[in-house]
Amino acid sequence: DTAVSQTPKYLVTQMGNDKSIKCEQNLGHDTMYWYKQDSKKFLKIMFSYNNKELIINETVPNRFSPKSPDKAHLNLHINSLELGDSAVYFCASSRVEETQYFGPGTRLLVL
Amino acid sequence: DQQVKQNSPSLSVQEGRISILNCDYTNSMFDYFLWYKKYPAEGPTFLISISSIKDKNEDGRFTVFLNKSAKHLSLHIVPSQPGDSAVYFCAASAGYGNKLVFGAGTILRVKS
Repeated sequence: DTAVSQTPKYLVTQMGNDKSIKCEQNLGHDTMYWYKQDSKKFLKIMFSYNNKELIINETVPNRFSPKSPDKAHLNLHINSLELGDSAVYFCASSRVEETQYFGPGTRLLVL
Repeated sequence: DQQVKQNSPSLSVQEGRISILNCDYTNSMFDYFLWYKKYPAEGPTFLISISSIKDKNEDGRFTVFLNKSAKHLSLHIVPSQPGDSAVYFCAASAGYGNKLVFGAGTILRVKS
């Protein structure tokens, strides 16, 4: 009965590959987010979707493309992976105007 | 430009004593503040929050204090327990439900 789940938990891949990370929430929330935790441990927002519509898009390379097939899912697709993309990616969800709840994270390592 | 700063990378406290974690912010538009707790290999877990109309919010052993004039907030944990050992992130938003801006985190170790 995990509230916010992400797959895969670990992802090791070569530079130049394309990969996707999936996120699902069963909390009935209408807003979902992607955050990146870099090597300095800062958590920074990348994207936010409300009811399948993009509402926050921070300065993120366009190699990163979020896709929200429905309110319960927000997937992150990354093209042409680079070494600097290695990080932990967290998905989160909330009702509008309420606290955000985070998934367990996906540890991406680009070799 | 770090808008939310946690200047202490780590803190060590004896079990049963008070833990005080500090956070400073620079953006005067921030009006909602949260503390998250994170264990290794897990996502951040919401702990407690406070809006700018209050200066204190208490939930069990956890109390958050907000000093708007100093742009400073703190999290007090009393009494501290070994299970409280984790990384604590301070976060802020300009408007309830808007994007969260996180600090770098403080590692709390509670020794038994």
